[in-house]
Amino acid sequence: DIVLTQAPLSVSVTPGESASISCRSSKSLLSSKGITSLYWYLQRPGKSPQLLIYQMSNLASGVPDRFSSSGSETDFTLKISKVETEDVGVYYCGHRLEYPYTFGAGTKLELK
Amino acid sequence: QVNLLQSGAALVKPGASVKLSCKASGYTFTDYYIHWVKQSHGKSLEWIGYINPNSGYTNYNEKFKSKATLTVDKSTNTAYMELSRLTSEDSATYYCTRSRYGSYGTPFDYWGQGVMVTVSS
Repeated sequence: DIVLTQAPLSVSVTPGESASISCRSSKSLLSSKGITSLYWYLQRPGKSPQLLIYQMSNLASGVPDRFSSSGSETDFTLKISKVETEDVGVYYCGHRLEYPYTFGAGTKLELK
Repeated sequence: QVNLLQSGAALVKPGASVKLSCKASGYTFTDYYIHWVKQSHGKSLEWIGYINPNSGYTNYNEKFKSKATLTVDKSTNTAYMELSRLTSEDSATYYCTRSRYGSYGTPFDYWGQGVMVTVSS
């Protein structure tokens, strides 16, 4: 199975500042179709996960452009600029390259 | 608007089975696969498997092949997951989510509200 390693496991950010979360894959997530199969989800406290980013760098519908993502075939970074109160929660990276689909352990974002 | 409405919380005894439901609305049910994801308390997400509502074809994570059975009822736009021979390790919140059929690598764009299953005597 592909292992996704996130870092840090938790981050504390001052509102208005930026935050970055890393996700490293044990295998290249670049598919034969040229799509990088890396996704970012946010799970706010007590809520279901919601899609933020798909195919490494595409912003999901309704997600503010304060969120961005980039990377290579195995190393990825989610950046949140000007962090707001609503950004608090746990961020997960996940892949859909091959079965079984797996997720990272999650990164908890808190406000200072 | 798209909605995936899951059944209510379940308290079940060890060794028993439970059948969870996920009723879809706001889109064409057969245009999207339904996936199920497990989240143990305070832990990360585990993909259980998916079902194609049009054909009934299923694909399971090996880890859950003897645990979960996925089915659908197209007449009611409802997907089901039955968990069998329950143990305390199955106590978790289970989510249904969808991905578009026929397009490679489409994301899990909508999620159900989750259902908590507690296994206890």
